[in-house]
Amino acid sequence: QQPVQSPQAVILREGEDAVINCSSSKALYSVHWYRQKHGEAPVFLMILLKGGEQKGHDKISASFNEKKQQSSLYLTASQLSYSGTYFCGTSQGMGGSNYKLTFGKGTLLTVNP
Amino acid sequence: GAGVSQSPRYKVAKRGQDVALRCDPISGHVSLFWYQQALGQGPEFLTYFQNEAQLDKSGLPSDRFFAERPEGSVSTLKIQRTQQEDSAVYLCASSSRRGLAGDRTGELFFGEGSRLTVL
Repeated sequence: QQPVQSPQAVILREGEDAVINCSSSKALYSVHWYRQKHGEAPVFLMILLKGGEQKGHDKISASFNEKKQQSSLYLTASQLSYSGTYFCGTSQGMGGSNYKLTFGKGTLLTVNP
Repeated sequence: GAGVSQSPRYKVAKRGQDVALRCDPISGHVSLFWYQQALGQGPEFLTYFQNEAQLDKSGLPSDRFFAERPEGSVSTLKIQRTQQEDSAVYLCASSSRRGLAGDRTGELFFGEGSRLTVL
């Protein structure tokens, strides 16, 4: 089942903060976040595993609430380079299909000067 | 090269033609994935290889789609008798790991994709 991302799009001024949400109707084992700029390859940001953890990557951090089957990506003090489409990819287990990611439709983030 | 390389970057085909899309993964990467990305959508899983073995082809839309990785490195995605609905960007990704979900280092390295337009 495809995870649902919100919002679909967000426009920020440089220095502002944003939150991107990813939710699933199925139990999740891991959540993977990627950023894709127009015409380029998706680039890995971080993985969060079952266990309710929170991770950080420079000024980008994320949380994973396995009980709610939700993950949120936090971008603080946004920079122009943060512009792009953010995708969450979810995996549902350690079993036979632990290699398969199901991606959401993406959130288009635009950071203006 | 240092990253995942895909060719051609752009392909225009007439409906009914066969196409072949090539992926050169990062050297030594065990896992190789093909994803299809329609305009304005997220990548959608097509197939998965672990070395030369195709372990999952459940995402291939029809029997017109065929993928191979005969020597466990370069992979080719072939689409026979292309249809307009096949128009999309085809992304290849590789990973040094055998799985993703339980591995904190299960990063996928994507190529820039092959954009297929079927007229």
